[in-house]
Amino acid sequence: DVKVTQSSRYLVKRTGEKVFLECVQDMDHENMFWYRQDPGLGLRLIYFSYDVKMKEKGDIPEGYSVSREKKERFSLILESASTNQTSMYLCASSYRLAGSYNEQFFGPGTRLTVL
Amino acid sequence: EDQVTQSPEALRLQEGESSSLNCSYTVSGLRGLFWYRQDPGKGPEFLFTLYSAGEEKEKERLKATLTKKESFLHITAPKPEDSATYLCAVQAYQGGGADGLTFGKGTHLIIQP
Repeated sequence: DVKVTQSSRYLVKRTGEKVFLECVQDMDHENMFWYRQDPGLGLRLIYFSYDVKMKEKGDIPEGYSVSREKKERFSLILESASTNQTSMYLCASSYRLAGSYNEQFFGPGTRLTVL
Repeated sequence: EDQVTQSPEALRLQEGESSSLNCSYTVSGLRGLFWYRQDPGKGPEFLFTLYSAGEEKEKERLKATLTKKESFLHITAPKPEDSATYLCAVQAYQGGGADGLTFGKGTHLIIQP
């Protein structure tokens, strides 16, 4: 079974702190994604990566950066956390198959609260 | 811009009462339409992928169908354990690479015993 794990289930940080969210997948997937999920807004794509050291902006990248130094690991970085970044953060991964669909498998999520 | 609209936002059914959830979409070129189930406090769990109009897929009490403008998730004789939020998402052709999903806001389904 595909397994996507996230470093923390719950995290509480203070405004202005630098925050790292880590995601690891064990299926040798090429693609990895970070989403945030908010009530009334649904899931929105922050960043994605289709290879080591590659990254692409999603729909809401402002205030975030990412790092992918190894194929199995994708990190989301909040350089200076703000209260409006309080949210559920979900990591996902998928194969990269040209000309085919790429179903994404999600981790359990990290609920981040910024005070 | 890709858009996904799900209806209803919430649905309460009695156990055994069949119904359908709707997902309307607009996308420049559809690579795939996905259905996920999400339980409270957990990540979405993959259910189905549909590629093209006319396609249908089934899993236990769930059946997903696709037209050129919408998808339906039919739930037959549901049980309380089917209670969850059901999410619809589309993936568009964007010239290769990894393409993120555009999600609807979900339908919160409650099945009462």
